[in-house]
Amino acid sequence: DGGITQSPKYLFRKEGQNVTLSCEQNLNHDAMYWYRQDPGQGLRLIYYSQIVNDFQKGDIAEGYSVSREKKESFPLTVTSAQKNPTAFYLCASEGSVNVLTFGAGSRLTVL
Amino acid sequence: GENVEQHPSTLSVQEGDSAVIKCTYSDSASNYFPWYKQELGKGPQLIIDIRSNVGEKKDQRIAVTLNKTAKHFSLHITETQPEDSAVYFCAARFDNFNKFYFGSGTKLNVKP
Repeated sequence: DGGITQSPKYLFRKEGQNVTLSCEQNLNHDAMYWYRQDPGQGLRLIYYSQIVNDFQKGDIAEGYSVSREKKESFPLTVTSAQKNPTAFYLCASEGSVNVLTFGAGSRLTVL
Repeated sequence: GENVEQHPSTLSVQEGDSAVIKCTYSDSASNYFPWYKQELGKGPQLIIDIRSNVGEKKDQRIAVTLNKTAKHFSLHITETQPEDSAVYFCAARFDNFNKFYFGSGTKLNVKP
C-alpha cells in the first residue's frame, strides 16, 4: 500500500529538549511538506521541499529544522527554540500537481 | 500573501439535510481550490477540488461552486450521513507556487 507514514503518533517532550518527527513516503513524490495544526486554526506551513537536498522555509519555520537527504524521507526537528511546540504535526507529499497526500499526523505535547 | 477565511466554524445538521460551508480568498491570482476532510485522529483527505476556469463541480453527494468575481467558493453536501461528520478544510493555491493556504476548518456534526 502506497502512502505516508508518520511516527511517532504521540510524543511527549520536556522543555529544552529537541525532538524529531519522522515522515516517510513510498509514493515516489518529489515534493514534501510539514504543516502544524492548532485547534481552531487552519494548517500552517512550516517547511517544504521540492527535491532532494533542497528545502525552503514556510510561514512558521522559526524553532524548526528539516533535512531531505532521501526522496522518501523528510524528518522534522522541533528544537528548544520553538516557544510553543505543543500541536498536531502533519506531513504531506505532492504527486500529481496540486494533489496533497497527508500522513496520519504526530501529536507533540510539551510537559 | 493569500488569506482564506472559512465559515462557519461548527455546523450541526440532521441526517438527510444539506450542509454548506463557505470560504473566501483574497488573492485573485489563486486558481486552484481543494476541499479536504479530516476524520478524528487522521490526516486530511482530498474530497473534491475546482479550478478557476470552472464554476461548479459535482461528485455524487458533494459539489463545489466558485465565484471568481466575489472570490468565494463553497462546499455543498446533500443527503448528509453520520459518516460525513468530520472537520472540513478549504484551501487556495496559485499554480507553480508551493504554498497552499488553508481555511481554519469547519467541524460538521451530522445527527442521526
